[in-house]
Amino acid sequence: SQQGEEDPQALSIQEGENATMNCSYKTSINNLQWYRQNSGRGLVHLILIRSNEREKHSGRLRVTLDTSKKSSSLLITASRAADTASYFCATEPYNNNDMRFGAGTRLTVKP
Amino acid sequence: EPEVTQTPSHQVTQMGQEVILRCVPISNHLYFYWYRQILGQKVEFLVSFYNNEISEKSEIFDDQFSVERPDGSNFTLKIRSTKLEDSAMYFCASGGNRVGGELFFGEGSRLTVL
Repeated sequence: SQQGEEDPQALSIQEGENATMNCSYKTSINNLQWYRQNSGRGLVHLILIRSNEREKHSGRLRVTLDTSKKSSSLLITASRAADTASYFCATEPYNNNDMRFGAGTRLTVKP
Repeated sequence: EPEVTQTPSHQVTQMGQEVILRCVPISNHLYFYWYRQILGQKVEFLVSFYNNEISEKSEIFDDQFSVERPDGSNFTLKIRSTKLEDSAMYFCASGGNRVGGELFFGEGSRLTVL
């Protein structure tokens, strides 16, 4: 299937540490996006990286994309307790507009 | 800030009943989506809608499901005869005037089928 697969499924770190989450996908994409979901809430867009980009930054977020390996990573630096949430990658396939999500990484940041 | 709104926030229904979930997308958006998420699991694509017709649908979106944009503002998901396994959070999302942009999600409608 096209949807991204996040790794790890769960990650627990201390406040101030960095958190890295990975996403793999299977077919050609137009772009890859990362979303955040607080428990029981809707998803919130964090960052989009296009297929011709390799790295993108937004505040404490850094996203990389390796289209040859069909993988992406999301790095959250200097994590805070408020970063506790599930993080999903979403891929937009090259030939259609259905955004597909993975199962997410559940991040817990301990104060 | 514009937002996607969904109603109801929670609906409890008996198996076999019809359910309509409603969404008001962001007004100048052109692409609309329904996703569902069974508790704690992945966010599953159901259907995308553009120019008053379905553009893509997943294998989950069978004949029991339908979508409609009846009045140019609301975007509805209908489940004709609910099953126990339809219990989930249903999220509506809308996107701007180009494919591949950011999606804006509503807060979801929790459907419980008894």
